Amino acid sequence: ETGVTQTPRHLVMGMTNKKSLKCEQHLGHNAMYWYKQSAKKPLELMFVYSLEERVENNSVPSRFSPECPNSSHLFLHLHTLQPEDSALYLCASSRTALGPQHFGDGTRLSIL
Amino acid sequence: DQQVKQNSPSLSVQEGRISILNCDYTNSMFDYFLWYKKYPAEGPTFLISISSIKDKNEDGRFTVFLNKSAKHLSLHIVPSQPGDSAVYFCAASGYSSASKIIFGSGTRLSIRP
Repeated sequence: ETGVTQTPRHLVMGMTNKKSLKCEQHLGHNAMYWYKQSAKKPLELMFVYSLEERVENNSVPSRFSPECPNSSHLFLHLHTLQPEDSALYLCASSRTALGPQHFGDGTRLSIL
Repeated sequence: DQQVKQNSPSLSVQEGRISILNCDYTNSMFDYFLWYKKYPAEGPTFLISISSIKDKNEDGRFTVFLNKSAKHLSLHIVPSQPGDSAVYFCAASGYSSASKIIFGSGTRLSIRP
């Protein structure tokens, strides 16, 4: 039990589909993050939410839209993705924006 | 250009010996460093961290060393155990933007019997 749960674990979608990735943390943390990990590349920070406010947006294309309705839940809404968006998407949380991050097991996304 | 570099993509160490994983960084504003461990099909797990006011931090079999002048840190695992076989990621951040952690590309450690 990692304390950070991501669903689904695997997702295959076409370029015209709309889907959402979900992340839930049961650790009482106040900061949540989305990362992208492409093959043979380092983890890339996409978005940071602290106390439900977005504090970081790393020049991510608008086809990725995050949502943080409360401190325990984080979504990543996907729309008209491109094949190069196929990757492992990891969610993480931390007690504050200063602390070590706890990761979920990721969603493996494949764009057809 | 990568700000955090792990130049060895893989490392093989005999069980019981010391494993040394290295990491270099370029941004002198980084002042907080972390190591994560990742098993296949799982997310990274936080291992150990060090702030720039220290040059060493130890937690059981894991020790992280920081050389600020060389912009280099290393993770020592001793003795190495089979369960240590995983990918290890070095990461760095600055207190001015602590939420923005930059990760290295990882080193795959294999512990052989």
